[in-house]
Amino acid sequence: DQQVKQNSPSLSVQEGRISILNCDYTNSMFDYFLWYKKYPAEGPTFLISISSIKDKNEDGRFTVFLNKSAKHLSLHIVPSQPGDSAVYFCAASRSGTYKYIFGTGTRLKVLA
Amino acid sequence: DTAVSQTPKYLVTQMGNDKSIKCEQNLGHDTMYWYKQDSKKFLKIMFSYNNKELIINETVPNRFSPKSPDKAHLNLHINSLELGDSAVYFCASSPHRVADPTDTQYFGPGTRLTVL
Repeated sequence: DQQVKQNSPSLSVQEGRISILNCDYTNSMFDYFLWYKKYPAEGPTFLISISSIKDKNEDGRFTVFLNKSAKHLSLHIVPSQPGDSAVYFCAASRSGTYKYIFGTGTRLKVLA
Repeated sequence: DTAVSQTPKYLVTQMGNDKSIKCEQNLGHDTMYWYKQDSKKFLKIMFSYNNKELIINETVPNRFSPKSPDKAHLNLHINSLELGDSAVYFCASSPHRVADPTDTQYFGPGTRLTVL
């Protein structure tokens, strides 16, 4: 019962272009969504989040879009840089709980 | 000045042994977590403690026992290790006492456990 899904295990993008990472969820009770970035042999680090009352949140080169009706969110990275090469995890949470439900991650490779 | 630290980073052991993984956070956070990332890369929560009190206990075999001596530490003890316990275990912490989904979790570097 995978409530958060990242259907693309990997993505390759040229440096300077846009990277778009996608995430789908099934539980309509989720009201907070996050993206984490993970380098090899390190723990996930928080990147950006969005509350369900918004449909967009931007932080520098990173923008997260939320489409509640489609139960879909995406992370846009513009412009992509080689240092962005990592595994990106989408996570979802619900008010009143401490739990994050993570997707399985998408490995992004930015080609120089 | 590591925020969330775990020891050891790697742990190789035989089936049937008992082992512990330690976690410490110096962020002053009230809530700590243990996650397991299995071979399929699923990152799943196992336990959470808020100010030394157990608040999340997912469907985890009772061979796994978390212990929180104080709110800066959450150790994971595993009895009678099995092959299927091989995974990367991540500790995390977050600031607040109240179950607030905007409460960002900060992760440690992980402990790779290999059971032979």
